[in-house]
Amino acid sequence: EDQVTQSPEALRLQEGESSSLNCSYTVSGLRGLFWYRQDPGKGPEFLFTLYSAGEEKEKERLKATLTKKESFLHITAPKPEDSATYLCAVQAPSGGSYIPTFGRGTSLIVHP
Amino acid sequence: GAVVSQHPSWVICKSGTSVKIECRSLDFQATTMFWYRQFPKQSLMLMATSNEGSKATYEQGVEKDKFLINHASLTLSTLTVTSAHPEDSSFYICSARREGPLSWEKLFFGSGTQLSVL
Repeated sequence: EDQVTQSPEALRLQEGESSSLNCSYTVSGLRGLFWYRQDPGKGPEFLFTLYSAGEEKEKERLKATLTKKESFLHITAPKPEDSATYLCAVQAPSGGSYIPTFGRGTSLIVHP
Repeated sequence: GAVVSQHPSWVICKSGTSVKIECRSLDFQATTMFWYRQFPKQSLMLMATSNEGSKATYEQGVEKDKFLINHASLTLSTLTVTSAHPEDSSFYICSARREGPLSWEKLFFGSGTQLSVL
């Protein structure tokens, strides 16, 4: 059974304190690993898609990396506005289609 | 960028009534849409996969007669919660997959619908 595990469940940082969020996965035939940001009461906002081990993508203070077993979302010098829940999802074949499976997310709070 | 519009944003209804939630892809055609349910501080739980022009595929444990899904066009999928009860109260989110070359493929999400059943 495909599994996506995110850690830590919650993370508190001081403004400017860099850190990383982890997403480990076990799927067969990965067709994309997605990172999303979700603010309370809103739908997830797309951040990145990674497709193959070794791939990296950056957006402002965020950098996502991918290996064959896990992905990291690195946050460099975070600001309070980076506070949100970060969701990881993997897309793999299922019955002839590709179904995304989400992890539980990491709740990030950045204190000023 | 691609936008997925979901309406209504919130709805309060009486127990026993039905509620329809719409999900539209505004600037791309989506042959596949997904419906999720999310409880407070929990992750997204996939309810069903909606395929244009065919029946939806429901996840195990999701009642297809209670959660009716219709994907009549390439830009619109609807979720109807029939005979809603308080335990159906939740945050419902749709997503649409923009398909194409692998590097172009993304999932876009609606803003969600908070359903409260009294």
